[in-house]
Amino acid sequence: EVQLVESGGGLVQPGRSLKLSCAASGFTFSNYGMAWVCQAPTKGLEWVASISTGGGNTYYRDSVKGRFTISRDNAKNTLYLQMDSLRSEDTATYYCARGGDVMDAWGQGASVTVSS
Amino acid sequence: DTVLTQSPALAVSPGERVTISCRASESVSTRMHWYQQKPGQQPKLLIYGASNLESGVPARFSGSGSGTDFTLTIDPVEANDTATYFCQQSWNDWTFGGGTKLELK
Repeated sequence: EVQLVESGGGLVQPGRSLKLSCAASGFTFSNYGMAWVCQAPTKGLEWVASISTGGGNTYYRDSVKGRFTISRDNAKNTLYLQMDSLRSEDTATYYCARGGDVMDAWGQGASVTVSS
Repeated sequence: DTVLTQSPALAVSPGERVTISCRASESVSTRMHWYQQKPGQQPKLLIYGASNLESGVPARFSGSGSGTDFTLTIDPVEANDTATYFCQQSWNDWTFGGGTKLELK
């Protein structure tokens, strides 16, 4: 069974950093591109960042470029999202999703609240 | 950025046929996918590549379209189809539509 389990969410002050992790199991992690998608409270889905199978290619939405870094450790079957210089508008549930094209499996999400 | 536009809400009766539309601001070929999200849950893939049914998804769900205009059809609608449905394109980076909330009468 494919499983994606996010961790690392929480309450953080504006300007501070947070690192999310996504532990993958039930499939060959290194064969899949991966992505982070966020959803602000009562809002729709927003793509945040994607990474290729080997990690050599990364892609970001404009609003997080230079602040967020997506990475992966294929030996540990884990995806990461380093979030720096956090803003109140980054408050959302962050989902880890499998796929470099269509996102065919999703984690349950990690909640991030940016507030003083 | 490729903007995807969906109507915000629809209300239908169980047993009816419903079509949910998604219009792209530029062509995305057939790289359009549909997801269902119920309250408090993560999204679930229904249709990929505009018209391909994801494994395990009931055949009541179908998708069509290419270029800029796409539809998700549910026929017949059942009570547990109450959810928000999102389209997503992967032709030009990745973007999601704003979602269509489906309510049952």
